[in-house]
Amino acid sequence: GIQVEQSPPDLILQEGANSTLRCNFSDSVNNLQWFHQNPWGQLINLFYIPSGTKQNGRLSATTVATERYSLLYISSSQTTDSGVYFCAVDTGGFKTIFGAGTRLFVKA
Amino acid sequence: DTEVTQTPKHLVMGMTNKKSLKCEQHMGHRAMYWYKQKAKKPPELMFVYSYEKLSINESVPSRFSPECPNSSLLNLHLHALQPEDSALYLCASRGVEQFFGPGTRLTVL
Repeated sequence: GIQVEQSPPDLILQEGANSTLRCNFSDSVNNLQWFHQNPWGQLINLFYIPSGTKQNGRLSATTVATERYSLLYISSSQTTDSGVYFCAVDTGGFKTIFGAGTRLFVKA
Repeated sequence: DTEVTQTPKHLVMGMTNKKSLKCEQHMGHRAMYWYKQKAKKPPELMFVYSYEKLSINESVPSRFSPECPNSSLLNLHLHALQPEDSALYLCASRGVEQFFGPGTRLTVL
């Protein structure tokens, strides 16, 4: 089945810094989503982005489907950005595979 | 409204108990999911219902029994669980995107 790898696994930032999170996938995908899991366990939708570029405030994402990767950019990070960022993909049908996540801690 | 609700928020049960987790969505989505998440791990797919029929069962033990009474509701019936089944159980519904509920934190004693 499809493999999803996220990097880096852990990231510590000073408040105000920028960062780039990466998601590589081993096969063509129909759907790709980025989620933020907060400390209470809630998964929050960030982007639905099977291809192209989207921006939402300080966050933006780019998926290059032909090269099988997606990037999530966080600018001017805030302490509330702390948590785990997951990339999730499916290749058609309903089966969804999550990457292992990037654990982000933003220091004040 | 992109809300998926789950009850209860927390559940503690013994290995001989029978309990149920409930999930509800009113987005008109026709696919609903159960995931299990252990600490410091990503969510793992358990079951998918599409148009109220079981579409995917990821070889989940029979002590977990899903049910989809209608297009808005999804249940997960629990019986004779083991302590290693303690985890966060997440429900999701999907149109184009998946939306997740807040989860049920289950502890099996």
